[in-house]
Amino acid sequence: TQLLEQSPQFLSIQEGENLTVYCNSSSVFSSLQWYRQEPGEGPVLLVTVVTGGEVKKLKRLTFQFGDARKDSSLHITAAQPGDTGLYLCAGLDRWNKLSFGAGTTVTVRA
Amino acid sequence: DAGITQSPRHKVTETGTPVTLRCHQTENHRYMYWYRQDPGHGLRLIHYSYGVKDTDKGEVSDGYSVSRSKTEDFLLTLESATSSQTSVYFCAISVLPGRVSYEQYFGPGTRLTVT
Repeated sequence: TQLLEQSPQFLSIQEGENLTVYCNSSSVFSSLQWYRQEPGEGPVLLVTVVTGGEVKKLKRLTFQFGDARKDSSLHITAAQPGDTGLYLCAGLDRWNKLSFGAGTTVTVRA
Repeated sequence: DAGITQSPRHKVTETGTPVTLRCHQTENHRYMYWYRQDPGHGLRLIHYSYGVKDTDKGEVSDGYSVSRSKTEDFLLTLESATSSQTSVYFCAISVLPGRVSYEQYFGPGTRLTVT
């Protein structure tokens, strides 16, 4: 059973459209991390959110941590083909271990 | 670049043979992790280490063992490989930038096929 539920599992959109990926759990985490992974490579850390209600922006990417520190979302504005990839959320527990969601495969068509 | 290398990058082996995967880091980090990644499951923790000779089991540790005799190396061993262990294996280290939250950085992965 996945501790973190990501939705949707797959997302295919046209260049210029917006998208949102959700990450939900019944557990409270010390922090929540978002990764992006390309085929044949390891996950690359995008952002870490720590405080309930926190919002972080990275250019066209906006990350939000829920008030109760159980859920998070990733919003991409005006998606580009370079945003294509597997997006993974992961919650850090107090023993310094990460639990991952199953991932969302995002495809941005030119 | 977190200075993490994994070897081998690809391996094909037969059922019942032992296999050892190596993770090497160059920056003296205390925490190291082994994950496996399978379609539909994200990454699942196999074993982790919080120092030399200090290791513990993760979520999917059955059939795997680890050793850490030096800070820089974390070895994952499949004592007798099975087809269910066909997967991509990732090593990670944990760092604490700015003393806010630990963050994990991943190696390039090892693709293991058990025939």
